[in-house]
Amino acid sequence: QKEVEQNSGPLSVPEGAIASLNCTYSDRGSQSFFWYRQYSGKSPELIMFIYSNGDKEDGRFTAQLNKASQYVSLLIRDSQPSDSATYLCAVKGGSNYKLTFGKGTLLTVNP
Amino acid sequence: EPEVTQTPSHQVTQMGQEVILRCVPISNHLYFYWYRQILGQKVEFLVSFYNNEISEKSEIFDDQFSVERPDGSNFTLKIRSTKLEDSAMYFCASSEGSTRYQPQHFGDGTRLSIL
Repeated sequence: QKEVEQNSGPLSVPEGAIASLNCTYSDRGSQSFFWYRQYSGKSPELIMFIYSNGDKEDGRFTAQLNKASQYVSLLIRDSQPSDSATYLCAVKGGSNYKLTFGKGTLLTVNP
Repeated sequence: EPEVTQTPSHQVTQMGQEVILRCVPISNHLYFYWYRQILGQKVEFLVSFYNNEISEKSEIFDDQFSVERPDGSNFTLKIRSTKLEDSAMYFCASSEGSTRYQPQHFGDGTRLSIL
């Protein structure tokens, strides 16, 4: 069974701080890694994705991938109350089409 | 920005009835997907569809489920004889391709409630 694990949280940070969200995966053949944001009762919204080891930055968001450790993270700089949501890590294998999701980490940014 | 649209937003159905959930993927996308999310649980893959064929399906996607692209724009999920445990949010997604460079974009979902 290919698993994606995330701390369920809640992770609480003050406004303006850096939020760090983590994800581990079990399938060494995984090719690409996605971070989605999901507000309560809403659909997953793509934030960014990464497929090479290292860091990828997009505005206030940085995704980090370490394939040797089977670990991917998302950093949110200058966190805002509007960033409060559940962050879903999703993994795509090399030979299939589906995304395998973690349960998500609930982030709360306090004003 | 182009988006995936789903109808209806909420469907209430009696157990044992058939239900059809509809999706209009992003226009230049070639790969289509259905996922579901039972309340409080993780998003689960159901099926992927390309070139008018199922390309991959999960164990959840048994004989009561079917998918179809009836015309050039719509993509549907049919549940033949609904059960209480089919109550969930159903998300349609689409992508330009299936490579690691091409992410899946999700619609707003249909909340299916089975009574």
